[in-house]
Amino acid sequence: DIVMTQTPLSLSVTPGQPASISCKSSQSLLHSDGKTYLYWYLQKPGQSPQLLIYEVSNRFSGVPDRFSGSGSGTDFTLKISRVEAEDVGVYYCMQSIQLRTFGQGTKVEIK
Amino acid sequence: QVQLVQSGAEVKKPGASVKVSCKVSGYTLTELSMHWVRQAPGKGLEWMGGFDPEDGETIYAQKFQGRVTMTEDTSTDTAYMELSSLRSEDTAVYYCATEGGAPRAFDIWGQGTMVTVSS
Repeated sequence: DIVMTQTPLSLSVTPGQPASISCKSSQSLLHSDGKTYLYWYLQKPGQSPQLLIYEVSNRFSGVPDRFSGSGSGTDFTLKISRVEAEDVGVYYCMQSIQLRTFGQGTKVEIK
Repeated sequence: QVQLVQSGAEVKKPGASVKVSCKVSGYTLTELSMHWVRQAPGKGLEWMGGFDPEDGETIYAQKFQGRVTMTEDTSTDTAYMELSSLRSEDTAVYYCATEGGAPRAFDIWGQGTMVTVSS
């Protein structure tokens, strides 16, 4: 099974400051079709998760451009250019090249 | 606009089974690939299984093999997840989620169904 490891597990950020979350997979997420199946989700308090980024770097419909994803192979990063109060919650990476696996989650709070 | 509406909370005794439903509106179930994800209290997301359109089969996480069954009723556009031999560790919120827009991405989620396993 592919293991997804996120760091850090928690993050306290001043509004307007950037934030970065790392996600590493135990195997390459690059498929033979040329796509890399790495996704980012945000679960706001008391809500269902919501898709932020698909295939490493594509923002899903309606996602603000302060969110960006990057990486390749086994190393990936989610960046928030300027954190806002509405960005609090738990961020998860997920792979879907082989079944599906989520990372442990990174809790983001506002200072 | 796809919406997923799940059945209500359940309380079950250890050893029993639970069946959670997820009704699709705005699309037909045959146009979507439905998956199930659970979240124990205070814990992270755990994928249980779902439909793989490339193979045309339902795939399950090894952890749940033999204990979970995912089915669909296309006449009512409702998906079901049944988990048997319940134990206290199965206490969790169970979500249905669909891969519709972005490939292999869970872009639409249900509201979640709380299942409590307690004697």
